[in-house]
Amino acid sequence: GAVVSQHPSWVICKSGTSVKIECRSLDFQATTMFWYRQFPKQSLMLMATSNEGSKATYEQGVEKDKFLINHASLTLSTLTVTSAHPEDSSFYICSVRRPGQLYEQYFGPGTRLTVT
Amino acid sequence: QKEVEQNSGPLSVPEGAIASLNCTYSDRGSQSFFWYRQYSGKSPELIMFIYSNGDKEDGRFTAQLNKASQYVSLLIRDSQPSDSATYLCAPKSSGDKLTFGTGTRLAVRP
Repeated sequence: GAVVSQHPSWVICKSGTSVKIECRSLDFQATTMFWYRQFPKQSLMLMATSNEGSKATYEQGVEKDKFLINHASLTLSTLTVTSAHPEDSSFYICSVRRPGQLYEQYFGPGTRLTVT
Repeated sequence: QKEVEQNSGPLSVPEGAIASLNCTYSDRGSQSFFWYRQYSGKSPELIMFIYSNGDKEDGRFTAQLNKASQYVSLLIRDSQPSDSATYLCAPKSSGDKLTFGTGTRLAVRP
């Protein structure tokens, strides 16, 4: 069964509005979750690492004030795209890291965002 | 040099054949290596991981790792049309992040 859920699976919003995406770990408590973005025909790009109870760590070039991450519990992380613009249209995917030595990551089904 | 290099493909094989997918990486500190399968329009799905030199088999899949050569591969035996997807190689770097290659697109011809 699914290890990670994401909501919504797709969203269309108008330019200038904000969109919140939820990521839930279903099978285990996740102290660390990751947020990725994928443009068509490109690979996954890590945006940020979400740590429960502390501030997220953003990758170079990712605007932390535009992509707000909140990891308020061991099973939920949210990504809010603020003041969205058409260039933010992409496939946003979260992953959770299974506790243990190998640190394998399991991905949510993704959220397709279209900004008009 | 890219951190993770994969041939983008498409790699086309007939049904029933062995598909061989290759990946090289630059971070010598990488200890664990993951293979993900991504169908078009979907998110990646973990199919194999390996952390010791040599081979690891799981059903029709075999992962091979050579840390000295910084090379990891995935073999798919008895390829099926349902195996047609993009396969992503992802070494785990220091800091517990995965670094993804651009993936190899596999097409299995019926």
